[in-house]
This record gives sequence, C-alpha cells and structure tokens, in this order.
Amino acid sequence: ILNVEQSPQSLHVQEGDSTNFTCSFPSSNFYALHWYRWETAKSPEALFVMTLNGDEKKKGRISATLNTKEGYSYLYIKGSQPEDSATYLCASYSGSARQLTFGSGTQLTVLP
Amino acid sequence: GAGVSQSPRYKVAKRGQDVALRCDPISGHVSLFWYQQALGQGPEFLTYFQNEAQLDKSGLPSDRFFAERPEGSVSTLKIQRTQQEDSAVYLCASSPGGEFSSPLHFGNGTRLTVT
Repeated sequence: ILNVEQSPQSLHVQEGDSTNFTCSFPSSNFYALHWYRWETAKSPEALFVMTLNGDEKKKGRISATLNTKEGYSYLYIKGSQPEDSATYLCASYSGSARQLTFGSGTQLTVLP
Repeated sequence: GAGVSQSPRYKVAKRGQDVALRCDPISGHVSLFWYQQALGQGPEFLTYFQNEAQLDKSGLPSDRFFAERPEGSVSTLKIQRTQQEDSAVYLCASSPGGEFSSPLHFGNGTRLTVT
C-alpha cells in the first residue's frame, strides 16, 4: 500500500452500539501512526500517537491497536454516544513519505 | 491555555486576488505545519517549519503559494492570484518538538472560497 487509506468512508450506528474502523498505511520505514477526532466546527483533536508494533492505547471508551508489520490500525468505540459523532482521521509517517500523511477519514454518525 | 489560533476563520476572494492566512501556534512550539483540506478528502501537507526555517515546502501546489515564519512563531500562508481550485480549508498545526511521535495541535482552520 502506497497511501493512507481509511474504511469505511462513513458509518451510521445506533447509540449504545460498539463500532470499529480501519486505517491502512505503508508498512515500510514505519515511524508513527496518529489518530485524530474532528468534530464539526472544531479543530482536529489528537486521540492517540502510536509507534510500536502491537501497541494498544485506550482513552475512555475509545481504543486503538497497531500492526506495523502488515500496515494497519483499528480504532474501536465501545457503547457509542451521539457526542462521538465526528470524522476520525488517521495519519502515518512511513513508507516514502517525508511528512505525516493523512487518510480521508471515517465520518461517524451516532443516532440517538 | 491558548491553543493554535488561525485567522480569518472564513475568507471569500474573487479569482485573481491575493490572500494571506495567519497562524498563531502554541507558544514555544518548535514545529509548524500547513495543510490543505479539500471537501471530502483528508488534510494534504503543504509546508513545514522548524522554528523560522522552512524545512519542507514540497506540498505547495504552485509558485503562487508562499509561507513564512520569520521569527519562529506566527506564520503566514500567502496565496497569490487565487484560482477556484484553491478553495479549501487551510489548517495550521504546531507541535512541541521536531519529531512525529508527538501529536499535532490544530487550529480551527481558515475556509477559503474563491469565486
């Protein structure tokens, strides 16, 4: 994989559902993987920065895992709430990129 | 404490006009980044400063785009002779160090519309 790709592009879930989405990135020359949450009318907010293969990080109901050998990261949200509605961006510093490269994001809508 | 501040929040320019977008990073942050985000896409890298030095400007789409950070704090992104394809959200971000193991702190962005 040459670029950072995120799936799905958008997702609607019911309040209380758990959900997850994927970030794929170049696995060569891996240095760091970032996750950000971007709510409408606000600035992107950092969730996690992960650097080690097998790393798992958690912040409240949100957690993330990292597999640098195969080039993917999962973001999990347990018991989704309407306030979790946002676009979730991942960004990697790996491959031939000289800078942090962002995916197009997963737009999550949590329905009450 | 104060976060990253960008101004103006919205800018409408007629095609051919010059615009200047301002970014006030978090005080003491060494690194400053500019990103361009078109509708439905992720932020695309434009340029990177470490203090006052512009270390990477490989993402600037044309010579109409120019960025500076003369005293290592406030940065300005200038776009000359704006075109419709320049319409986007321009995000500024700063981080304390020069490596990518620290998260970026973003401003709210400037939404530029070229008519």
